[in-house]
Amino acid sequence: QVQLQESGPGLVKPSGTLSLTCVVSGGSISSNNWWTWVRQSPGRGLEWIGEIHHTGNTNYNPSLKSRVTISLDRPKNHFSLILTSVTAADTALYYCARGMLGVVALSPPVVWGQGTLVTVSS
Amino acid sequence: DIVMTQSPDSLAVSLGERATINCKSSQSVLYKSDNMIDLSWYQQKPGQPPQLLIYWASTRESGVPDRFSGSGSGTDFTLTINSLQAEDVAVYYCLQSYTTPLTFGGGTKVEIK
Repeated sequence: QVQLQESGPGLVKPSGTLSLTCVVSGGSISSNNWWTWVRQSPGRGLEWIGEIHHTGNTNYNPSLKSRVTISLDRPKNHFSLILTSVTAADTALYYCARGMLGVVALSPPVVWGQGTLVTVSS
Repeated sequence: DIVMTQSPDSLAVSLGERATINCKSSQSVLYKSDNMIDLSWYQQKPGQPPQLLIYWASTRESGVPDRFSGSGSGTDFTLTINSLQAEDVAVYYCLQSYTTPLTFGGGTKVEIK
Protein backbone atom coordinates (compact mmCIF):
# COMPACT_ATOMS: atom_id res chain seq x y z
CA GLN A 1 0.00 0.00 0.00
CA VAL A 2 1.47 3.31 -1.07
CA GLN A 3 2.37 5.79 1.67
CA LEU A 4 3.54 9.37 1.40
CA GLN A 5 5.60 11.46 3.80
CA GLU A 6 6.28 15.18 3.52
CA SER A 7 9.48 16.75 4.78
CA GLY A 8 11.10 20.14 4.75
CA PRO A 9 11.82 23.24 6.85
CA GLY A 10 9.02 24.27 9.17
CA LEU A 11 10.01 27.93 9.10
CA VAL A 12 10.70 30.07 6.05
CA LYS A 13 11.51 33.79 6.02
CA PRO A 14 9.31 36.22 4.10
CA SER A 15 10.44 36.63 0.48
CA GLY A 16 12.29 33.33 0.79
CA THR A 17 11.70 29.98 -0.92
CA LEU A 18 9.63 27.14 0.48
CA SER A 19 10.96 23.73 -0.51
CA LEU A 20 9.23 20.48 0.41
CA THR A 21 9.76 16.85 -0.53
CA CYS A 22 7.27 13.99 -0.57
CA VAL A 23 8.80 10.54 -0.25
CA VAL A 24 6.72 7.76 -1.75
CA SER A 25 6.95 4.26 -0.29
CA GLY A 26 5.13 1.08 -1.24
CA GLY A 27 4.88 2.17 -4.85
CA SER A 28 6.80 3.73 -7.70
CA ILE A 29 6.63 7.38 -8.57
CA SER A 30 6.98 6.28 -12.18
CA SER A 31 3.63 4.47 -12.12
CA ASN A 32 0.71 5.92 -14.08
CA ASN A 33 -0.39 8.45 -11.49
CA TRP A 34 -0.71 12.11 -10.80
CA TRP A 35 1.16 13.39 -7.74
CA THR A 36 -0.39 16.38 -6.02
CA TRP A 37 0.27 19.14 -3.51
CA VAL A 38 -2.55 20.65 -1.44
CA ARG A 39 -2.32 23.11 1.43
CA GLN A 40 -4.68 23.97 4.25
CA SER A 41 -4.90 27.06 6.41
CA PRO A 42 -7.60 28.55 8.64
CA GLY A 43 -7.97 31.55 6.39
CA ARG A 44 -7.93 29.87 2.97
CA GLY A 45 -9.26 26.39 3.75
CA LEU A 46 -8.10 23.59 1.47
CA GLU A 47 -6.24 24.91 -1.58
CA TRP A 48 -5.03 22.83 -4.52
CA ILE A 49 -1.49 23.84 -5.49
CA GLY A 50 -0.83 21.60 -8.47
CA GLU A 51 0.02 18.14 -9.76
CA ILE A 52 2.67 16.32 -11.75
CA HIS A 53 2.23 13.21 -13.88
CA HIS A 54 4.77 10.41 -14.00
CA THR A 55 5.59 11.64 -17.50
CA GLY A 56 6.56 15.02 -16.08
CA ASN A 57 3.49 16.94 -17.27
CA THR A 58 2.25 19.46 -14.74
CA ASN A 59 -0.89 21.43 -13.91
CA TYR A 60 -0.70 24.38 -11.52
CA ASN A 61 -3.16 26.61 -9.71
CA PRO A 62 -3.15 29.81 -11.81
CA SER A 63 -3.07 31.91 -8.64
CA LEU A 64 0.29 30.36 -7.73
CA LYS A 65 1.64 29.44 -11.13
CA SER A 66 4.27 32.18 -11.31
CA ARG A 67 5.78 31.02 -8.01
CA VAL A 68 5.35 27.23 -8.05
CA THR A 69 7.39 24.35 -9.43
CA ILE A 70 6.57 20.68 -8.87
CA SER A 71 9.14 18.14 -9.96
CA LEU A 72 9.90 14.41 -9.84
CA ASP A 73 13.05 12.64 -8.66
CA ARG A 74 12.68 9.11 -9.99
CA PRO A 75 15.89 7.62 -8.52
CA LYS A 76 14.88 8.82 -5.05
CA ASN A 77 11.20 7.99 -5.60
CA HIS A 78 10.02 11.34 -4.42
CA PHE A 79 8.49 14.52 -5.77
CA SER A 80 9.02 18.08 -4.65
CA LEU A 81 7.35 21.44 -4.27
CA ILE A 82 9.12 24.77 -4.61
CA LEU A 83 7.25 27.99 -3.83
CA THR A 84 9.16 31.25 -4.22
CA SER A 85 8.67 34.75 -2.82
CA VAL A 86 6.65 33.51 0.13
CA THR A 87 4.61 35.73 2.43
CA ALA A 88 2.67 35.14 5.63
CA ALA A 89 -0.28 34.12 3.43
CA ASP A 90 1.67 30.99 2.47
CA THR A 91 1.70 29.76 6.07
CA ALA A 92 -0.20 26.49 5.97
CA LEU A 93 -0.23 22.76 6.49
CA TYR A 94 1.13 21.30 3.25
CA TYR A 95 -0.02 17.88 2.06
CA CYS A 96 1.27 15.69 -0.73
CA ALA A 97 -1.03 13.11 -2.26
CA ARG A 98 -1.38 10.51 -4.98
CA GLY A 99 -4.17 10.93 -7.46
CA MET A 100 -6.76 8.53 -8.74
CA LEU A 101 -5.59 5.77 -11.05
CA GLY A 102 -6.48 6.19 -14.69
CA VAL A 103 -7.46 9.86 -14.52
CA VAL A 104 -6.19 11.75 -17.55
CA ALA A 105 -5.61 15.03 -15.68
CA LEU A 106 -6.82 17.04 -12.71
CA SER A 107 -7.01 14.03 -10.45
CA PRO A 108 -8.78 14.06 -7.09
CA PRO A 109 -6.24 13.21 -4.38
CA VAL A 110 -6.74 9.70 -3.04
CA VAL A 111 -3.80 8.78 -0.79
CA TRP A 112 -2.54 11.62 1.40
CA GLY A 113 0.54 12.22 3.49
CA GLN A 114 0.12 13.39 7.09
CA GLY A 115 1.05 16.93 6.20
CA THR A 116 3.82 19.27 7.28
CA LEU A 117 3.31 22.70 8.81
CA VAL A 118 5.20 25.55 7.20
CA THR A 119 5.26 28.94 8.87
CA VAL A 120 6.43 32.05 7.04
CA SER A 121 7.91 34.45 9.57
CA SER A 122 11.03 36.47 10.19
CA ASP B 1 -12.45 29.61 -10.69
CA ILE B 2 -15.39 27.33 -9.89
CA VAL B 3 -16.72 28.27 -6.46
CA MET B 4 -17.93 25.39 -4.31
CA THR B 5 -20.46 26.44 -1.67
CA GLN B 6 -21.31 24.03 1.10
CA SER B 7 -24.26 24.16 3.47
CA PRO B 8 -24.76 24.13 6.32
CA ASP B 9 -21.49 25.21 7.91
CA SER B 10 -22.20 22.81 10.74
CA LEU B 11 -24.87 20.43 11.91
CA ALA B 12 -25.58 18.33 14.96
CA VAL B 13 -27.28 14.99 14.46
CA SER B 14 -28.34 12.33 16.94
CA LEU B 15 -26.63 8.95 16.79
CA GLY B 16 -28.43 6.70 14.33
CA GLU B 17 -30.05 9.60 12.52
CA ARG B 18 -29.32 10.94 9.03
CA ALA B 19 -26.96 13.79 8.19
CA THR B 20 -27.30 15.63 4.89
CA ILE B 21 -24.63 17.95 3.51
CA ASN B 22 -25.07 20.07 0.43
CA CYS B 23 -22.56 21.35 -2.09
CA LYS B 24 -23.29 23.74 -4.93
CA SER B 25 -20.87 24.50 -7.75
CA SER B 26 -20.89 27.86 -9.55
CA GLN B 27 -20.93 26.00 -12.88
CA SER B 28 -21.56 22.48 -14.11
CA VAL B 29 -18.87 19.90 -13.30
CA LEU B 30 -20.18 17.29 -15.73
CA TYR B 31 -17.43 16.10 -18.05
CA LYS B 32 -19.43 15.70 -21.22
CA SER B 33 -17.08 13.42 -23.16
CA ASP B 34 -17.50 10.55 -20.72
CA ASN B 35 -20.58 11.72 -18.82
CA MET B 36 -18.67 11.66 -15.54
CA ILE B 37 -19.29 14.17 -12.79
CA ASP B 38 -16.03 15.50 -11.46
CA LEU B 39 -17.22 15.91 -7.87
CA SER B 40 -15.69 14.19 -4.83
CA TRP B 41 -16.38 14.15 -1.11
CA TYR B 42 -13.79 13.98 1.68
CA GLN B 43 -13.92 13.42 5.42
CA GLN B 44 -11.34 15.05 7.68
CA LYS B 45 -10.98 14.15 11.34
CA PRO B 46 -8.91 16.32 13.73
CA GLY B 47 -5.18 15.94 13.20
CA GLN B 48 -5.63 13.82 10.08
CA PRO B 49 -5.48 14.48 6.36
CA PRO B 50 -8.68 14.41 4.33
CA GLN B 51 -9.89 10.95 3.34
CA LEU B 52 -11.66 10.33 0.03
CA LEU B 53 -15.19 9.01 0.57
CA ILE B 54 -16.99 9.48 -2.74
CA TYR B 55 -15.86 10.24 -6.30
CA TRP B 56 -17.74 10.86 -9.55
CA ALA B 57 -20.47 12.27 -7.28
CA SER B 58 -21.82 8.87 -6.22
CA THR B 59 -19.12 6.16 -6.35
CA ARG B 60 -17.98 5.04 -2.93
CA GLU B 61 -14.22 4.65 -2.45
CA SER B 62 -13.07 1.16 -1.48
CA GLY B 63 -13.49 0.50 2.24
CA VAL B 64 -15.94 3.33 2.86
CA PRO B 65 -19.01 2.19 4.82
CA ASP B 66 -22.21 2.02 2.80
CA ARG B 67 -23.96 4.45 5.15
CA PHE B 68 -22.13 7.13 3.14
CA SER B 69 -23.74 8.00 -0.18
CA GLY B 70 -23.44 10.77 -2.73
CA SER B 71 -25.96 12.11 -5.19
CA GLY B 72 -26.67 15.03 -7.42
CA SER B 73 -26.04 16.35 -10.89
CA GLY B 74 -25.31 19.56 -12.72
CA THR B 75 -24.43 21.99 -9.99
CA ASP B 76 -26.13 20.59 -6.87
CA PHE B 77 -24.75 17.69 -4.89
CA THR B 78 -25.48 15.95 -1.60
CA LEU B 79 -23.53 13.76 0.78
CA THR B 80 -25.78 11.66 3.01
CA ILE B 81 -24.66 9.82 6.10
CA ASN B 82 -27.33 7.32 7.10
CA SER B 83 -27.43 6.16 10.70
CA LEU B 84 -24.71 8.50 12.00
CA GLN B 85 -22.03 6.83 14.10
CA ALA B 86 -19.76 8.45 16.70
CA GLU B 87 -16.75 7.91 14.42
CA ASP B 88 -18.40 10.05 11.72
CA VAL B 89 -17.74 13.24 13.69
CA ALA B 90 -15.56 15.20 11.27
CA VAL B 91 -15.47 18.01 8.76
CA TYR B 92 -16.67 17.09 5.28
CA TYR B 93 -15.52 18.77 2.06
CA CYS B 94 -16.59 18.61 -1.54
CA LEU B 95 -14.07 19.01 -4.35
CA GLN B 96 -14.53 19.72 -8.05
CA SER B 97 -11.90 18.33 -10.41
CA TYR B 98 -13.63 19.44 -13.61
CA THR B 99 -11.25 22.28 -14.35
CA THR B 100 -8.17 23.97 -13.02
CA PRO B 101 -7.78 25.07 -10.37
CA LEU B 102 -9.39 22.23 -8.47
CA THR B 103 -11.46 23.85 -5.74
CA PHE B 104 -12.80 22.66 -2.42
CA GLY B 105 -15.90 23.70 -0.55
CA GLY B 106 -15.53 25.48 2.76
CA GLY B 107 -16.39 22.41 4.79
CA THR B 108 -19.29 21.21 6.94
CA LYS B 109 -18.66 20.21 10.53
CA VAL B 110 -20.74 17.26 11.71
CA GLU B 111 -21.23 16.76 15.43
CA ILE B 112 -23.31 14.54 17.67
CA LYS B 113 -26.44 16.07 19.16
